[in-house]
Amino acid sequence: KAGVTQTPRYLIKTRGQQVTLSCSPISGHRSVSWYQQTPGQGLQFLFEYFSETQRNKGNFPGRFSGRQFSNSRSEMNVSTLELGDSALYLCASSMTGYDTDTQYFGPGTRLTVL
Amino acid sequence: DAKTTQPNSMESNEEEPVHLPCNHSTISGTDYIHWYRQLPSQGPEYVIHGLTSNVNNRMASLAIAEDRKSSTLILHRATLRDAAVYYCIRNTGNQFYFGTGTSLTVIP
Repeated sequence: KAGVTQTPRYLIKTRGQQVTLSCSPISGHRSVSWYQQTPGQGLQFLFEYFSETQRNKGNFPGRFSGRQFSNSRSEMNVSTLELGDSALYLCASSMTGYDTDTQYFGPGTRLTVL
Repeated sequence: DAKTTQPNSMESNEEEPVHLPCNHSTISGTDYIHWYRQLPSQGPEYVIHGLTSNVNNRMASLAIAEDRKSSTLILHRATLRDAAVYYCIRNTGNQFYFGTGTSLTVIP
């Protein structure tokens, strides 16, 4: 079974631009979560989608948004990029999103904002 | 997650047991404790999880304190492939709150 895939793997943008990242979950998984990883703040939860609905949201500004499609694929968008948005963005999928579910992580998208 | 703390780094000799501690002092009664590890240039991968009682699987054991304020991940025989950053995670409503992570070095 194919794992979680994320595209693109690397991205360079300039301040003020917007960016869209894509995540394809493992087949059959309906929950997709997004995380930001930086050296200073570590791994932080952004949001979680299940059946095209955002169920949970972390403590990030409204510039960070996402959506999920009917095939469970998910996209994350960041508008008006800031230097501090430079990070590794990880997505993870799970079957149902219940507390006991295992989350399977993709390799991440490395975003650099200049 | 500021409420989930781990030592920055630990070392272990190959084929010896390793005990990785985690403090989650404000964990609620329904929060699961998960452990994941991250190898360089990869996303985190699942190791083990539990709620109240100790848990074992083929990779590791998880010992949870009676008051649930701390837990310990036990790798029974460390191998070179176990060198990674280990994260203790408080899972509340399927929101993962990652600890600070412990970088494990395995010495041959």
